[in-house]
Amino acid sequence: GNSVTQMEGPVTLSEEAFLTINCTYTATGYPSLFWYVQYPGEGLQLLLKATKADDKGSNKGFEATYRKETTSFHLEKGSVQVSDSAVYFCALKRYSTLTFGKGTMLLVSP
Amino acid sequence: EAGVVQSPRYKIIEKKQPVAFWCNPISGHNTLYWYLQNLGQGPELLIRYENEEAVDDSQLPKDRFSAERLKGVDSTLKIQPAELGDSAVYLCASSLSGREGQETQYFGPGTRLLVL
Repeated sequence: GNSVTQMEGPVTLSEEAFLTINCTYTATGYPSLFWYVQYPGEGLQLLLKATKADDKGSNKGFEATYRKETTSFHLEKGSVQVSDSAVYFCALKRYSTLTFGKGTMLLVSP
Repeated sequence: EAGVVQSPRYKIIEKKQPVAFWCNPISGHNTLYWYLQNLGQGPELLIRYENEEAVDDSQLPKDRFSAERLKGVDSTLKIQPAELGDSAVYLCASSLSGREGQETQYFGPGTRLLVL
């Protein structure tokens, strides 16, 4: 079946540090890949997506590249801010069904 | 444009009591989803509707859970009777169905249920 594996958190960084959150997936066929972010007390918000191999999704300084050869979709940001503190979910979509990872909490300190 | 609306935001009930959650999707979105999110986990699909039809309810525990989407717009998810293990966040999402890979699901804020 389909599955998503994310690095465990929390990830603790200082402001302006470089961020990487690893995500790998297992899926049949060619899924679309997503990163969602969940701020405290809020629902999930789409952060970025990629629909085919080698696509790069980007938004708000975050980016991730769909790597079919390594079945990965790692999230990166060059300089994090305190306001980026949230839980980040990697997900794949196949036939309208989203499969999520367990989420990675990011804590950014001033 | 308004996002996905859910109510209530929080609900505390005693076990064996019934509970219902309501969702209003983004206007024009024909696909509606209910997800269950346990603490420290990612959301898991309970049921997916295409208009009024439940097209995927394979993960819905039908002995105690039920859902409906009358008129293909609003939806209600019900639990009767609730058990302690049902304590979780119930998320609703909607999307505009189209070509595979082009749909994006938009989530509501969720209903946080605590069963005592």
